[in-house]
Amino acid sequence: EAQVTQNPRYLITVTGKKLTVTCSQNMNHEYMSWYRQDPGLGLRQIYYSMNVEVTDKGDVPEGYKVSRKEKRNFPLILESPSPNQTSLYFCASRWDRGHSPLHFGNGTRLTVT
Amino acid sequence: GENVEQHPSTLSVQEGDSAVIKCTYSDSASNYFPWYKQELGKRPQLIIDIRSNVGEKKDQRIAVTLNKTAKHFSLHITETQPEDSAVYFCAAKGGGADGLTFGKGTHLIIQP
Repeated sequence: EAQVTQNPRYLITVTGKKLTVTCSQNMNHEYMSWYRQDPGLGLRQIYYSMNVEVTDKGDVPEGYKVSRKEKRNFPLILESPSPNQTSLYFCASRWDRGHSPLHFGNGTRLTVT
Repeated sequence: GENVEQHPSTLSVQEGDSAVIKCTYSDSASNYFPWYKQELGKRPQLIIDIRSNVGEKKDQRIAVTLNKTAKHFSLHITETQPEDSAVYFCAAKGGGADGLTFGKGTHLIIQP
């Protein structure tokens, strides 16, 4: 089944403790991205990647890192999480930079205390 | 960059009536406008999209219209049903390599 898989689904952590949210897609998509969703603010892009070893900042990149060492994986790294990073995170992928549909993962609900 | 405004933030309609959600965008180079539906606790899923060379697109009870001159596009849902209750997001994509810019969402409530 074609899908975008995120792990974990839920994560509670403390301020300053490094964490990684994994994202993997099995559709051979070139383009992958991370969004955060907050009430009243919609979906805001954190980082995106057009292909292996190519990443770029989205609208809200501060406090986050990403890497794209393999085409299928695009992990989101929080080196020193803070409470304002408490949010619902979605990984997404699509074929290329064109107009193909964006496929979302099931989301990761992160709480930073 | 692109800025997308979406209205209303909440829309309550009687079952069987029509619902209209409106979005405006700022970048005249934007050329792709998808709509996503997000049910409670689930991921956003594409329901319909339109490209800038098309003025209207319809898929059963759902239609999208685009006015490039005014830089606005709308989602129309006819004969609404309880399963239409969800949060709907509009989005716009420019000609560059970056991602979609989303509106803040509309919570559609279908009253029985």
